[in-house]
Amino acid sequence: GAGVSQSPSNKVTEKGKDVELRCDPISGHTALYWYRQSLGQGLEFLIYFQGNSAPDKSGLPSDRFSAERTGGSVSTLTIQRTQQEDSAVYLCASSIERYSYEQYFGPGTRLTVT
Amino acid sequence: AQSVTQPDIHITVSEGASLELRCNYSYGATPYLFWYVQSPGQGLQLLLKYFSGDTLVQGIKGFEAEFKRSQSSFNLRKPSVHWSDAAEYFCAVGASVNFNKFYFGSGTKLNVKP
Repeated sequence: GAGVSQSPSNKVTEKGKDVELRCDPISGHTALYWYRQSLGQGLEFLIYFQGNSAPDKSGLPSDRFSAERTGGSVSTLTIQRTQQEDSAVYLCASSIERYSYEQYFGPGTRLTVT
Repeated sequence: AQSVTQPDIHITVSEGASLELRCNYSYGATPYLFWYVQSPGQGLQLLLKYFSGDTLVQGIKGFEAEFKRSQSSFNLRKPSVHWSDAAEYFCAVGASVNFNKFYFGSGTKLNVKP
């Protein structure tokens, strides 16, 4: 079946602009994660959605970052007033249920802020 | 605070040689441990995981890892490396109480010489 997909694969934006990154999880997966991977760094947890529960936003680095998940499926990560330090690869992952650690990752969106 | 350390940023091995990638973690409770591989342009793929029981775990693609509680380590091994193993490898620890939290190391890039 189809894996996790993300769009766009690459995004170049000017400093100060807003961007939206999209994640389509695997159908039926109730848990969805967003991570940020900066150059030479490990994955940094951003936000976690599980079913209809309130998301865990504890990893969002600032209030310029927000995310939503509509209908328990597609998720959008929005970065407002982008800064150069936001440049990174943004990865989305889904897993079949809350107590499953097996995350399936998408290919990521490479964001470059100029 | 929880953390994962991968002390080797780059490793080069010859094809057919053995491989060991190091991972040390810091976590107060019993950790759930993972190794992921990221090939260029691909999402992260789970190689293996440790939850409990036998401390030597087998994964896909001929990889194995050994959990050593006394050393807070979870090193990844392969007896004979193939050119297709060239990729970046990430160690991760999952919190046993918060299923939403994962902590990733900064990764080890593996080059394979012919």
